[in-house]
Amino acid sequence: DAKTTQPPSMDCAEGRAANLPCNHSTISGNEYVYWYRQIHSQGPQYIIHGLKNNETNEMASLIITEDRKSSTLILPHATLRDTAVYYCIVRIPEGYQKVTFGTGTKLQVIP
Amino acid sequence: DTGVSQDPRHKITKRGQNVTFRCDPISEHNRLYWYRQTLGQGPEFLTYFQNEAQLEKSRLLSDRFSAERPKGSFSTLEIQRTEQGDSAMYLCASIGGTANEKLFFGSGTQLSVL
Repeated sequence: DAKTTQPPSMDCAEGRAANLPCNHSTISGNEYVYWYRQIHSQGPQYIIHGLKNNETNEMASLIITEDRKSSTLILPHATLRDTAVYYCIVRIPEGYQKVTFGTGTKLQVIP
Repeated sequence: DTGVSQDPRHKITKRGQNVTFRCDPISEHNRLYWYRQTLGQGPEFLTYFQNEAQLEKSRLLSDRFSAERPKGSFSTLEIQRTEQGDSAMYLCASIGGTANEKLFFGSGTQLSVL
């Protein structure tokens, strides 16, 4: 599976949009982009995923560039509960066996 | 959906002892994963089951580690002759059923080897 690159940390003011970037320049045509987040002392939690098109759900929006080499997770109105480590991963349709989570981005939402 | 549960939440052991962790996946999920996570790092894949069959193991899984999933339900991860380097969070995740794209993680077992 392709590897991803994320900034180690970001700050965001409460109530503002948080835009978390991810680079996945070696992504293959059948690999999906997934985002998970991990709040301290808990297991990671699924947020959103996509293949080519932009996606939106109740938690976030995912913007994938046309060449699919990078993506951005958008939390439209960040709250203090969104403070977490955010992982961007790519995976083949068959499963998560070869996924590398990396070190993620530590998002700190500031009051 | 009662979620993925792991037991115990915390385990402190002395070097050289054996430890066993249990994971109960979401009931209709046929695939189960074990990961290890150390401080400041993301989860690292250890092994994967589809039903009762262990289909893949990471090179991280030394021969002191063994995992089972009898009858394709709960799973156990055993570490024999623990070493201080085994200290980590051990996470279990399951996938399947109607939500077959996303992993559901348990809260993990934090192992400390003294």
